[in-house]
Amino acid sequence: DMKVTQMPRYLIKRMGENVLLECGQDMSHETMYWYRQDPGLGLQLIYISYDVDSNSEGDIPKGYRVSRKKREHFSLILDSAKTNQTSVYFCASSPGLGSYEQYFGPGTRLTVL
Amino acid sequence: GEQVEQRPPHLSVREGDSAVITCTYTDPNSYYFFWYKQEPGASLQLLMKVFSSTEINEGQGFTVLLNKKDKRLSLNLTAAHPGDSAAYFCAVKNTGYQNFYFGKGTSLTVIP
Repeated sequence: DMKVTQMPRYLIKRMGENVLLECGQDMSHETMYWYRQDPGLGLQLIYISYDVDSNSEGDIPKGYRVSRKKREHFSLILDSAKTNQTSVYFCASSPGLGSYEQYFGPGTRLTVL
Repeated sequence: GEQVEQRPPHLSVREGDSAVITCTYTDPNSYYFFWYKQEPGASLQLLMKVFSSTEINEGQGFTVLLNKKDKRLSLNLTAAHPGDSAAYFCAVKNTGYQNFYFGKGTSLTVIP
């Protein structure tokens, strides 16, 4: 069963703390994505990863970094979280170039106090 | 890069009425088009995918129209029911890149 998982599902942090959001997929997809979703703004692309250690900034990368050391895992890191990073974060995966399919994880709701 | 505009941001219809959501895009090389449904607190669920070689796709209770000349994509819920109340997003992708470009979403409320 094709699946994208995200951990944790809910997270509350204080401003200045570090945050690690994890994403996994069991489909051996090459491409993975991190989006954030805010009311009225739709999904905004933070980072895209084309494969292990091949990452590219999306539209709003400032304040975020990513890590992809294994094809099935893609992490989003917030060093010193800010209150304006409170959002819902979605991870997605896609088989790769030429593919049109995108599979979404369940999302992580992050609150930064 | 691609720009996707989605209208309207909010839509309220009565049960049994039709509801139309429209997206316009700018990149003539866009080839894949998607509609997603998102219920409150949930992830995005793919409703329909359309390729630029097709113009009309029908699903259960909805129709997707693609007008390549006008670069316009629409989702038409033919007889809305309360279970259709959700946020809807269009997304666009071309063949050369792996980026998906999303509209900002439409919050649909179907009043019983």
